[in-house]
Amino acid sequence: AQTVTQSQPEMSVQEAETVTLSCTYDTSESDYYLFWYKQPPSRQMILVIRQEAYKQQNATENRFSVNFQKAAKSFSLKISDSQLGDAAMYFCAYRANNNDMRFGAGTRLTVKP
Amino acid sequence: GAVVSQHPSWVICKSGTSVKIECRSLDFQATTMFWYRQFPKQSLMLMATSNEGSKATYEQGVEKDKFLINHASLTLSTLTVTSAHPEDSSFYICSAPSGLTTDTQYFGPGTRLTVL
Repeated sequence: AQTVTQSQPEMSVQEAETVTLSCTYDTSESDYYLFWYKQPPSRQMILVIRQEAYKQQNATENRFSVNFQKAAKSFSLKISDSQLGDAAMYFCAYRANNNDMRFGAGTRLTVKP
Repeated sequence: GAVVSQHPSWVICKSGTSVKIECRSLDFQATTMFWYRQFPKQSLMLMATSNEGSKATYEQGVEKDKFLINHASLTLSTLTVTSAHPEDSSFYICSAPSGLTTDTQYFGPGTRLTVL
């Protein structure tokens, strides 16, 4: 069974600084997708970034980037120049070709002004 | 991006009654939709996979007779919580893979169910 582990229940960052959220996963598949979703207080799940496992290049989306280490089954999210609006729950997610998405327990990010 | 809606956003019902939650893909067709449940301060737990024109696939431990799923069209899936009890109170979220990049799930805004 595929599992997703987020070992940091809470993280805090100063506004304009950089923070990294950790995620590891377990799978026997070779082809899969990884995601980071943001859930603000409204509870609407918002896609932050996605990574295809077959791509070696790390995905980036503006201030958000990932460090994908396939052999280590690690998928961390780096948020640069943190903004107050980045405060939210962040969920790491895994999806294989069967379309079934699995989520980690989440990391609550606080941004201090 | 793809848009998924849910209705209602919040519902309160009495114990023993049934509640129907709708999930719609607004600008794309979805042969598959997913239903999740999220308790306060917890992650999303997959309940079932809704398949257009066929039976839903339920995760282990989810009672299919209690959580009825119907996917009657390519844009609509419904989740009916039958004979609701206070322990069914939770946040229910649906998602669908978009037609453009089907590896990515787009989520509805969720439905908060409170059973008195």
